[in-house]
Amino acid sequence: QQQVKQSPQSLIVQKGGISIINCAYENTAFDYFPWYQQFPGKGPALLIAIRPDVSEKKEGRFTISFNKSAKQFSLHIMDSQPGDSATYFCAAIDFNAGGTSYGKLTFGQGTILTVHP
Amino acid sequence: DAGVTQSPTHLIKTRGQQVTLRCSPKSGHDTVSWYQQALGQGPQFIFQYYEEEERQRGNFPDRFSGHQFPNYSSELNVNALLLGDSALYLCASSSGPNQPQHFGDGTRLSIL
Repeated sequence: QQQVKQSPQSLIVQKGGISIINCAYENTAFDYFPWYQQFPGKGPALLIAIRPDVSEKKEGRFTISFNKSAKQFSLHIMDSQPGDSATYFCAAIDFNAGGTSYGKLTFGQGTILTVHP
Repeated sequence: DAGVTQSPTHLIKTRGQQVTLRCSPKSGHDTVSWYQQALGQGPQFIFQYYEEEERQRGNFPDRFSGHQFPNYSSELNVNALLLGDSALYLCASSSGPNQPQHFGDGTRLSIL
């Protein structure tokens, strides 16, 4: 019930294309869903996040779509660039005090994105 | 404004030894969480410290312990190292247990 399942494992996109990464969760106590971007040799960097009371959040070329009833959320990268090539992780966390998953991020398995020039 | 800083960046130990990793949170943050990231995997939560106490713990044995100091910095200690402990250890800080977490670049621990 604590798992977050992420797909695809790897993704190759041409420059200017749209990259789409999907995640699904089981724990309905999760109430904050961030996406992290990780480059080789670096720690994960917070990219964008959403709470379940909205269905979509956009920041620049990055958009999160959230479907609460299906317990799914996805990251869309518009106009993908070679500099976007990295590993992307979805995550979920329960910010309500007292929950068993309170304060701990549960990560998906990661998606290696390669954007060809 | 310095982000989350971790030391050392790399460390090599042998089985059975003990190791201490250190983390300084981002300015203004008072909560520190530790994660283990195996190669090709997502980070796994070890524990979280707030107000100098362990507030939440993941599925890690008692060989993994930690501490938080009054200046909010933190240490992760691992005893009786096993080959399987080889991983990237990440520290994340936040401005409270229920706030977004920001990660450092980690300590790469290799066990021989």
